[in-house]
Amino acid sequence: GAVVSQHPSWVICKSGTSVKIECRSLDFQATTMFWYRQFPKQSLMLMATSNEGSKATYEQGVEKDKFLINHASLTLSTLTVTSAHPEDSSFYICSARKGPMNTEAFFGQGTRLTVV
Amino acid sequence: QKEVEQNSGPLSVPEGAIASLNCTYSDRGSQSFFWYRQYSGKSPELIMSIYSNGDKEDGRFTAQLNKASQYVSLLIRDSQPSDSATYLCASTGGKLSFGAGTTVTVRA
Repeated sequence: GAVVSQHPSWVICKSGTSVKIECRSLDFQATTMFWYRQFPKQSLMLMATSNEGSKATYEQGVEKDKFLINHASLTLSTLTVTSAHPEDSSFYICSARKGPMNTEAFFGQGTRLTVV
Repeated sequence: QKEVEQNSGPLSVPEGAIASLNCTYSDRGSQSFFWYRQYSGKSPELIMSIYSNGDKEDGRFTAQLNKASQYVSLLIRDSQPSDSATYLCASTGGKLSFGAGTTVTVRA
């Protein structure tokens, strides 16, 4: 199988605080993990690509100092939304790839972040 | 130009009909293509992968790839109400890029 677990499923935080989202590959070692953001009725927007032990590659327009990505091991990547604001409220989804770069990726359940 | 374009939709088909979804991509270096299904409020799930030109069938789903035309399609045969979802086309040559998605509604 290829199971990716994301935690938490939903979180509500106050404006100005930071939130950490975890993404774990449970039954495989992930060569690459991706972080996406999805606003209602819109498509997935790739935020960054991360490989274990190296710095994440952020997409144009994504603030790397605001969205901190750590890929400390082959089974865990974290996304920290720092100094969150209401406009950061969104559905954040991670995916993980277990094979070489032309293979499929499997998604976590997503995290619905609401900043109040 | 977006890397992956899905221009069709939303699509409404009667139960039992064929739903046809299209996708084009801009990067000729893309090696692999995927179709994901996303139900409202949920994360995407992989339904088909295709790597070489031609057709690939899996149950009621058939994916078609034409690298010369940079075109990928998905056919859903004998559509069921449970197929009502947004279908996302994706390509990869490194990062995984998604199209905007096509929302399919199967009418009972």
